[in-house]
Amino acid sequence: NAGVTQTPKFRVLKTGQSMTLLCAQDMNHEYMYWYRQDPGMGLRLIHYSVGEGTTAKGEVPDGYNVSRLKKQNFLLGLESAAPSQTSVYFCASTRDSYGYTFGSGTRLTVV
Amino acid sequence: DQQVKQNSPSLSVQEGRISILNCDYTNSMFDYFLWYKKYPAEGPTFLISISSIKDKNEDGRFTVFLNKSAKHLSLHIVPSQPGDSAVYFCAASPTGNQFYFGTGTSLTVIP
Repeated sequence: NAGVTQTPKFRVLKTGQSMTLLCAQDMNHEYMYWYRQDPGMGLRLIHYSVGEGTTAKGEVPDGYNVSRLKKQNFLLGLESAAPSQTSVYFCASTRDSYGYTFGSGTRLTVV
Repeated sequence: DQQVKQNSPSLSVQEGRISILNCDYTNSMFDYFLWYKKYPAEGPTFLISISSIKDKNEDGRFTVFLNKSAKHLSLHIVPSQPGDSAVYFCAASPTGNQFYFGTGTSLTVIP
């Protein structure tokens, strides 16, 4: 019972590099989300998807892009990483837009 | 601007006593509220929810109270156990889809 799997778990990027964070869920959930957690800020929604092929902006979308080509996968891309994007990133999914199941997080450092 | 606030960054309680975690919000359109628990190096885990048509919801040792006129909710844990030591986040949403999270309260239950 994998639930929500995030890869990678840790990554260090240089400023200006690009990368993609992968979120995979095996629960057939419709809704998927990307959050970032920063000290003193709680979790803030970056982008979300209400079904395969759909995406929408959240609270802090700038500097990120997402894609949901398959129902089970939600990808978060950073085209040109900046130190301000140093954070812990959490992916979540839910069947009915309530009571998310979260992944264990990706710790990203941009130097 | 933080729409969901948890003004107590930390709380210590003796084992067996009641833990009360508080959360305030500013947006009167919020109708759905959740509490999550988070252990270090793990993703948040859904704990309990409440919608604005109710003022109380119980699940075992956990009870959430909602006071819409005061824009305030609280989580009561009775009796508190050492395994409850974690960071607790409240979250609120107008639609049940895009949730805004508080900054978290770190609960320590002392044996």
